[in-house]
Amino acid sequence: QVQLVQSGADVEKPGASVRVSCKASGYTFTDHYIHWVRQAPGQGLEWMGRINSDSGVTNSAQQFQGRISMTRDTSISTAYMELSGLKFDDTAIYYCTRAPIRGGWFDPWGQGTLVTVSS
Amino acid sequence: DIMMTQSPATLSVSPGERATLSCRASQNVWSNLAWYQQRPGQAPRLLISDASTRATGVPARFSGSGSGTDFTLTISSLQSEDFAIYYCQHYNGWPRTFGQGTKVEIK
Repeated sequence: QVQLVQSGADVEKPGASVRVSCKASGYTFTDHYIHWVRQAPGQGLEWMGRINSDSGVTNSAQQFQGRISMTRDTSISTAYMELSGLKFDDTAIYYCTRAPIRGGWFDPWGQGTLVTVSS
Repeated sequence: DIMMTQSPATLSVSPGERATLSCRASQNVWSNLAWYQQRPGQAPRLLISDASTRATGVPARFSGSGSGTDFTLTISSLQSEDFAIYYCQHYNGWPRTFGQGTKVEIK
């Protein structure tokens, strides 16, 4: 079955960077985009950006531009999201999710990775 | 950016009753709208795409309708597992944005 498995929880200091991985299985990795969505504690969902798993082209939400880097390794069907210059309010669960090339719905979602920014 | 507004914020419903959730877009998104369910401690799950197409495995009691700026998610007869938070999301351009969610709670 289609599955996205993310890396484990992480604790980082303010100003540091964090990298979250997302390993895909059960489908042809390059046939879909990978998007990143985060959810702060008790809050709603915030779209961060996406990567074309085939070409590697990315686009991101304006509030993350300059701080977010999305890459992929097609040989191991894995996408990565790195967020730099961490602030306390970057504490959140970070999800990867898949979207079809023709369409924009997200299905399925990874299990989420809790990133805690703490001094 | 397109703003998605969901109402109500909280909906109190008895098991077996019907629930109607609303989502309004600040501009026309045609039928480029999805609904998700999120249970406590879990990742979101796709329910509806293209405003009215149920995802694989989603029970028939879930239905979506609407186009343009006004959308509705209806749960015809609430089951215990349906008490959760529901989000709408547009995909008509960038950035993708979500509504703030509607919590469906037991009355």
